[in-house]
Amino acid sequence: DAKTTQPPSMDCAEGRAANLPCNHSTISGNEYVYWYRQIHSQGPQYIIHGLKNNETNEMASLIITEDRKSSTLILPHATLRDTAVYYCIVRDNNAGNMLTFGGGTRLMVKP
Amino acid sequence: NAGVMQNPRHLVRRRGQEARLRCSPMKGHSHVYWYRQLPEEGLKFMVYLQKENIIDESGMPKERFSAEFPKEGPSILRIQQVVRGDSAAYFCASSPGAGNQPQHFGDGTRLSIL
Repeated sequence: DAKTTQPPSMDCAEGRAANLPCNHSTISGNEYVYWYRQIHSQGPQYIIHGLKNNETNEMASLIITEDRKSSTLILPHATLRDTAVYYCIVRDNNAGNMLTFGGGTRLMVKP
Repeated sequence: NAGVMQNPRHLVRRRGQEARLRCSPMKGHSHVYWYRQLPEEGLKFMVYLQKENIIDESGMPKERFSAEFPKEGPSILRIQQVVRGDSAAYFCASSPGAGNQPQHFGDGTRLSIL
């Protein structure tokens, strides 16, 4: 699976949009981009995933660049409960089913 | 709609004992995955099972660890003769099938070895 690069930490003001970037410059055509988050002491929570089109659900939006080499997860109105480690994962769904977690981005939402 | 259920949430064992961790997948999910998170580290894949079959155990230590997902009942991760280095959080995830369907995680079992 392609390696991803994320900033180790970010801050965001409560109520503002949180934009979390992810680079995946070696992504191949079959690989999807998945985002999960892990709030302290809990299991990872699925947020969203996509292949090449932008996606939106009740939690977040996923913006994937046209060349697919990077993506951004957007939390439109961050709350204190969004403080967590966010993981960007790319996976070839035809080549195996494991998720490979990197270091992620530790997002701190501040009042 | 119950999520992935893991029990126990916390398990304490002495060195040399056996640990059994249980995972009930979400309703309608027939694929189960186990991951381990050592203190201050990221999650690492261990094993992927479908009902009665181990599909991928490439992340499982060769000795002392085993996993099963019987036709009836939860998936079990079994660790024999535990050592201090087995202390970790063990997470189970499930999905309805293979392909691009996301995995959904339980809240894990925290295993502590005395």
